[in-house]
Amino acid sequence: SAVISQKPSRDICQRGTSLTIQCQVDSQVTMMFWYRQQPGQSLTLIATANQGSEATYESGFVIDKFPISRPNLTFSTLTVSNMSPEDSSIYLCSVSPSGKDTEAFFGQGTRLTVV
Amino acid sequence: GQQVMQIPQYQHVQEGEDFTTYCNSSTTLSNIQWYKQRPGGHPVFLIQLVKSGEVKKQKRLTFQFGEAKKNSSLHITATQTTDVGTYFCAGAGGSYIPTFGRGTSLIVHP
Repeated sequence: SAVISQKPSRDICQRGTSLTIQCQVDSQVTMMFWYRQQPGQSLTLIATANQGSEATYESGFVIDKFPISRPNLTFSTLTVSNMSPEDSSIYLCSVSPSGKDTEAFFGQGTRLTVV
Repeated sequence: GQQVMQIPQYQHVQEGEDFTTYCNSSTTLSNIQWYKQRPGGHPVFLIQLVKSGEVKKQKRLTFQFGEAKKNSSLHITATQTTDVGTYFCAGAGGSYIPTFGRGTSLIVHP
C-alpha cells in the first residue's frame, strides 16, 4: 500500500497566477501520475512523472502550462501556470507501488478555484 | 486509443434496492479495476479482475469480468446509505496507465 500526502487541499487563486501542488509518498515509487477531475467528471491523466527524467504529458497537456518536478522517488510537484477559470478543477496525484497495472493509490486531491 | 464507456452516469435508488453499473472497453483489457469515490473524497481501490469470466464478491458487492475481457460490471445488493458515491471502472490494456470510465454516481434515498 501507499499513503500519499497532497497539499494544498484547496485554494482560490487569481487568474494569471500559478499554483504548485505537492505530493509526498510514504514509500519509493518509480512513477507518479497527475490527474485532473472536473466536477462530476472522470479522471483525466495529465502526465506521468518519472524520477530523473522529464515528465510524459498526455494529449492536450503541455509542459509550459503544467510543469512537473520529480526530484526523488517519494516526491513530486505539479504547477498550474498562468491560471484561468477553465483550470478550476480537482487535481490528484497517484501511484501504483506494486507496479504495472496494479492498484492505484490517490492523494486527497487539491480543489482549485480560479477567479 | 483505448476507450472505456461506463453507464449509467447517475442512478437513484431507494435504500434496499439493488444497483448495477456497467463498463465496456473498445479493446481487450489485461485487467479491470474498480474504485469508489465518496463525495468530496478521492478514489479508493475496491478490486481488480484479471481472468476472463472472473467473478469476485465483497460482502454485498459482486464484480464480474466478461469472457472477452472487454466488459465488466459491479452489482450492489440491498443498497445502504453508506454506498453513496461515484463508482469508477479503470481498464488496463497493457500499459502502466489505466483508462478510467466516466463513473456512475449512486444516490441512495433512505
